[in-house]
Amino acid sequence: EVQLMESGGDLVQPGGSLRLSCAASGFTFSSYGMTWVRQAPGKGLEWVSSILSSTDSRTFYADSVKGRFTVSRDYSKNTVYLQMNSLRAEDTAIYYCAKLLSPGGSNMHFDYWGQGTLVTVSS
Amino acid sequence: ETVLTQSPATLSLSPGERATLSCRASQSVDIYLAWYQQKPGQAPRLLIYDASNRATGIPARFSGSGSGTDFTLTISSLEPEDVAVYYCQQRKNWPPLTFGGGTRVEIK
Repeated sequence: EVQLMESGGDLVQPGGSLRLSCAASGFTFSSYGMTWVRQAPGKGLEWVSSILSSTDSRTFYADSVKGRFTVSRDYSKNTVYLQMNSLRAEDTAIYYCAKLLSPGGSNMHFDYWGQGTLVTVSS
Repeated sequence: ETVLTQSPATLSLSPGERATLSCRASQSVDIYLAWYQQKPGQAPRLLIYDASNRATGIPARFSGSGSGTDFTLTISSLEPEDVAVYYCQQRKNWPPLTFGGGTRVEIK
């Protein structure tokens, strides 16, 4: 059974940093790209970042987070991370990690999602 | 950036009725469009990918159609458990990957 478990969400002051983790199990982690999607309170879904598989290590970011967020993955721990720096109030959201539908990076639809972790940026 | 516009914003129907949800893209996305269902307090769930392919375990009452810029998600006979917000998402023109604003489905 595929499982994705996010952690690391917290209350942080503007300008602060936070690292989110997403522990994956139940599939061949190295073969699949992973993505982060966020949802501000009462709002819709917003793509944040994606990282492809072990055969193609490219990373991609939304303009709203480029230069502030960094996505990475640890294949030995089956975990993907989102390092968030210079946080702003508008980064307040539930952050979901999700698995790409197909191996590699050819299909950027997401078939499994974690339960999400809440990041609140406020003084 | 490819903007996805969903309509209507809210759909209120009786159980057993047919629900038709629309997603329009600002430029062609070929068939590379997915639909997700998000129930209150839950993560999104993939329903349809590449316009018309049902994801694993999705009931047959959910179907998708369309290509280019106009897409439709149809729920053939609405069940009470279908109350949710439905989002479309394109993967043709990225980055960025984009989602529509969502359609809320309610039961009368």
